[in-house]
Amino acid sequence: EVQLVESGGVVVQPGGSLRLSCAASGFTFDDYAMHWVRQAPGKGLEWVSLISWDGGSTYYADSVKGRFTISRDNSKNSLYLQMNSLRAEDTALYYCAPEPESGSYHFDYWGQGTLVTVSS
Amino acid sequence: QSALTQPPSASGSPGQSVTISCTGTSSDVGGYNYVSWYQQHPGKAPKLMIYEVSKRPSGVPDRFSGSKSGNTASLTVSGLQAEDEADYYCSSYAGSNNLIFGTGTKVTVL
Repeated sequence: EVQLVESGGVVVQPGGSLRLSCAASGFTFDDYAMHWVRQAPGKGLEWVSLISWDGGSTYYADSVKGRFTISRDNSKNSLYLQMNSLRAEDTALYYCAPEPESGSYHFDYWGQGTLVTVSS
Repeated sequence: QSALTQPPSASGSPGQSVTISCTGTSSDVGGYNYVSWYQQHPGKAPKLMIYEVSKRPSGVPDRFSGSKSGNTASLTVSGLQAEDEADYYCSSYAGSNNLIFGTGTKVTVL
């Protein structure tokens, strides 16, 4: 059974930093590209970032480019999102999701998310 | 890039059909056959209902169908059931390794 467990979400002040983690199990983690998607409270879904299966390629939404860094450790079946210079508009539930086929850009498995709140 | 445009709400009686539109541009919806649809119940993670415009994942009822014409994709739910009441989001590949989601549609079963 595929399981994705996000963690690391807390309340942080504007301008602060945070590192989210996603522990994956039930599938061959290093076979799949991984994404982060977020959802602000009461709002819609927003794609955040993508990392290739080997970590060699990373991509970001314009809204987070230069502030967030996606990474992975295939030996630990884990995905990360380093979030710097946080803003109020980064407040959201952050989900990780594997991409079932390279370049398919759809997600058939989601975690339950971890909540990041940026507030003073 | 701006979010894809969906109607805020849609509704139908049990057994009826409802169709949700998802309008983008030639740089996203119109340019690629990588449109997906997700169902999200309150407090739950999204669930994939349609991918690559019209393909249904295993386990999704055939009451759910997807299509695309030009820059607009559509999700049709036939034979509406109470459990179909949820928020629905479309998404589309937008080139340059970017993905965009729709604004979301709340479906109400009357």
